[in-house]
Amino acid sequence: QVQLVQSGDEVRKPGASVSVSCKASGYTFSQYGISWLRQAPGKRLHWMGWVGPNKGNTNYAQNFQGRVTMTTDPSTATAYMELTTLRSDDTAVYYCARFLNAGGFFDLWGQGTLVTVSS
Amino acid sequence: DIQMTQSPSSVSASVGDRVTITCRASQGISSWLAWYQQKPGKAPKLLIYVASTLQSGVPLRFSGSGSGTDFTLTISSLQPEDFATYYCQQSNSFPWTFGQGTKVEIK
Repeated sequence: QVQLVQSGDEVRKPGASVSVSCKASGYTFSQYGISWLRQAPGKRLHWMGWVGPNKGNTNYAQNFQGRVTMTTDPSTATAYMELTTLRSDDTAVYYCARFLNAGGFFDLWGQGTLVTVSS
Repeated sequence: DIQMTQSPSSVSASVGDRVTITCRASQGISSWLAWYQQKPGKAPKLLIYVASTLQSGVPLRFSGSGSGTDFTLTISSLQPEDFATYYCQQSNSFPWTFGQGTKVEIK
């Protein structure tokens, strides 16, 4: 079954860091990049960046530069996203998504991970 | 950043109705546009990409058109399972950006 399975929901205090994992199965991991996106409650989706499957090349949205790190482990077909210096407005559902090589369109999504930042 | 603006923000419609949603980009994006459907508590689902290409498995009642700055998503005959929020997304230039969403509600 072709799927992306994310790690569970997290609660963090302001200033802390969070790491979310995204395990791929059912397709050749090395053939697709992974993007990370987030969606605050009732809000639109925001693209955070992408990571290549093999060499770990990345492209981060400027809004997250310096706070986000995206990596992959090809041996386990898993992608990771770490966000540091958390603020209350980082509270959101975080998604990983596979994007089509023909363009930045997301054809396969993880189920989402809720990250709550609260003191 | 390219701003994506959808209209309307919400629409009330009945089963069998034809529904059209518009997405406007703040600058030209050629055909680098996708449409997604999202239901409450679920991840988005890709419906259409490159403005008019139907994703595999998506019903033929969904169609997309447009290029440059103006795009439309049309549902030819609304079905009960189509009540959801729809988003457009551009991938012409980084950062990839989304519209604010259009909620299709039951009339």
